[in-house]
Amino acid sequence: DGGITQSPKYLFRKEGQNVTLSCEQNLNHDAMYWYRQDPGQGLRLIYYSQIVNDFQKGDIAEGYSVSREKKESFPLTVTSAQKNPTAFYLCASRETGYGEQYFGPGTRLTVT
Amino acid sequence: KQEVTQIPAALSVPEGENLVLNCSFTDSAIYNLQWFRQDPGKGLTSLLLIQSSQREQTSGRLNASLDKSSGRSTLYIAASQPGDSATYLCAALGGTYKYIFGTGTRLKVLA
Repeated sequence: DGGITQSPKYLFRKEGQNVTLSCEQNLNHDAMYWYRQDPGQGLRLIYYSQIVNDFQKGDIAEGYSVSREKKESFPLTVTSAQKNPTAFYLCASRETGYGEQYFGPGTRLTVT
Repeated sequence: KQEVTQIPAALSVPEGENLVLNCSFTDSAIYNLQWFRQDPGKGLTSLLLIQSSQREQTSGRLNASLDKSSGRSTLYIAASQPGDSATYLCAALGGTYKYIFGTGTRLKVLA
């Protein structure tokens, strides 16, 4: 079955540690996105990538980093510089052109 | 800067009612508008995608319309069921291939 996988589902870290969230897709989509969702709020864009080896900052990129070495994979690193990292993180990919956007199941990160 | 607003923020209706969810956007230069459903603690599920050249799309009991000139989209749900209870989000795709999301409408359908 084609889709987007995110792992792990729940992640716990101590303050000051970097953590990497995994996102893999087998939909053969060029574009991939990372969003952050806080309780009662809409989705905010962290980073997005239109093609392998290229990515752009979204609206809240500070304290985050990404890589896009393979078409299928778009990992997100939450660094210790992110002031309030506890949130629900969602990865998505988009069909070629102006096509449909598909989401993974999300990773809930808790930093204490 | 594109802003997307969804009204109402929350809605509670008895089973069987037809209902309309609203999505407004400030910049009409969009490529498409997509409606999603989100269940608590889950990812988003795509419901309908309307390209900028289209006026509406239908899937089962769902119908979405798009009026770019007025900056509005509506999601119509016919004969609502308790299983329709979820948060509904709209998102507009703009010129930089970034999606801007509304904050959602939290729907509860009472049995």
